[in-house]
Amino acid sequence: GAVVSQHPSWVICKSGTSVKIECRSLDFQATTMFWYRQFPKQSLMLMATSNEGSKATYEQGVEKDKFLINHASLTLSTLTVTSAHPEDSSFYICSARSGLAGPQETQYFGPGTRLLVL
Amino acid sequence: GNSVTQMEGPVTLSEEAFLTINCTYTATGYPSLFWYVQYPGEGLQLLLKATKADDKGSNKGFEATYRKETTSFHLEKGSVQVSDSAVYFCALSDEETSGSRLTFGEGTQLTVNP
Repeated sequence: GAVVSQHPSWVICKSGTSVKIECRSLDFQATTMFWYRQFPKQSLMLMATSNEGSKATYEQGVEKDKFLINHASLTLSTLTVTSAHPEDSSFYICSARSGLAGPQETQYFGPGTRLLVL
Repeated sequence: GNSVTQMEGPVTLSEEAFLTINCTYTATGYPSLFWYVQYPGEGLQLLLKATKADDKGSNKGFEATYRKETTSFHLEKGSVQVSDSAVYFCALSDEETSGSRLTFGEGTQLTVNP
């Protein structure tokens, strides 16, 4: 099946710094990518939907200026956590969709990036 | 809004035992339903899906039937293996109200002992 990678898999940073997480579709073109956040023993919460070449659509309550998303190509989307604080520590997961929206579409998930802000 | 509720884990079974993980949903439209599995250290993988009422999704011995009358999509397997140990997520996608965005349940940790 299709493969989605994320980099880095682990990142530890100091409070106030910015962290960039990459999400790549390795063997298909992803017109849409999604960014999720997962707290320990909780569900995945959608943060934003990213369409190639256009601005991301953020979910209610997600600060667009804090979580910058760029989807510059059909195989790469980036999430930048700006001025990170300890409460931003979480597991960030991306997914990519290759086809048109509809019941047959499949989202392929990356392995996730664990962020720890000290 | 849309929501998905899964049975609480963790679930611990012996090899060859029968597995049921309950999942119920709330949706305003006509959702598609999914089960995803997350093995340790890996990303979520689609296990099976059903796109309309009474559809049965199946894969790798797992099955789930879309029950509109009970708004449920319970995951079952007749004989689990150690290699089935993972976290299982029930999810829905409602085209009409969420534009293909997935809403996930809390996840259920399954451990199968030899």
